[in-house]
Amino acid sequence: EPEVTQTPSHQVTQMGQEVILRCVPISNHLYFYWYRQILGQKVEFLVSFYNNEISEKSEIFDDQFSVERPDGSNFTLKIRSTKLEDSAMYFCASSFNRGTEQYFGPGTRLTVT
Amino acid sequence: KNEVEQSPQNLTAQEGEFITINCSYSVGISALHWLQQHPGGGIVSLFMLSSGKKKHGRLIATINIQEKHSSLHITASHPRDSAVYICAAISQGGSEKLVFGKGTKLTVNP
Repeated sequence: EPEVTQTPSHQVTQMGQEVILRCVPISNHLYFYWYRQILGQKVEFLVSFYNNEISEKSEIFDDQFSVERPDGSNFTLKIRSTKLEDSAMYFCASSFNRGTEQYFGPGTRLTVT
Repeated sequence: KNEVEQSPQNLTAQEGEFITINCSYSVGISALHWLQQHPGGGIVSLFMLSSGKKKHGRLIATINIQEKHSSLHITASHPRDSAVYICAAISQGGSEKLVFGKGTKLTVNP
């Protein structure tokens, strides 16, 4: 069964460093999403992406964040200068169409020290 | 702004018991997801529904659009059902973002 994959599973970085989190969505899906979950808190929407552009973003998704689909398979989230409060689990998701079921990847645990 | 509330926050049951987890939301939605999060953190989609009822194995999800309420039921619960169950809603009006509840931590004891 097709699934969303994410790499790495765990990333440790120092404050101020740039990180890139990678996702491979399900191959025939057209909509892609990033969510994050700070430890002990609810999952929060960051951004949605369709047709090579951001379609919606939350107030969390500021200039420090960017997303890209560099090729036909990968979908990346870049954090330019990480802060301690960026430590969280980051989930990628994809869906075939707008408003259809979203399928989640296993997550990348980001730890900023 | 859509607020999604779940109850209870924590639920402990004995194997075999019938489980109900509730979810309410504050604005009109186009769809609601029920998700399962395991201790390792991974999220699995269980259901997406916009009306009525859906069943998959021992899991049943219902939604009442007028009352802005959804329930997830687990029949004949088993220790392997132990997980956090999360409801997440997509608001009407073209938004694609899921608004998540805080989750219900279910523990099923043998």
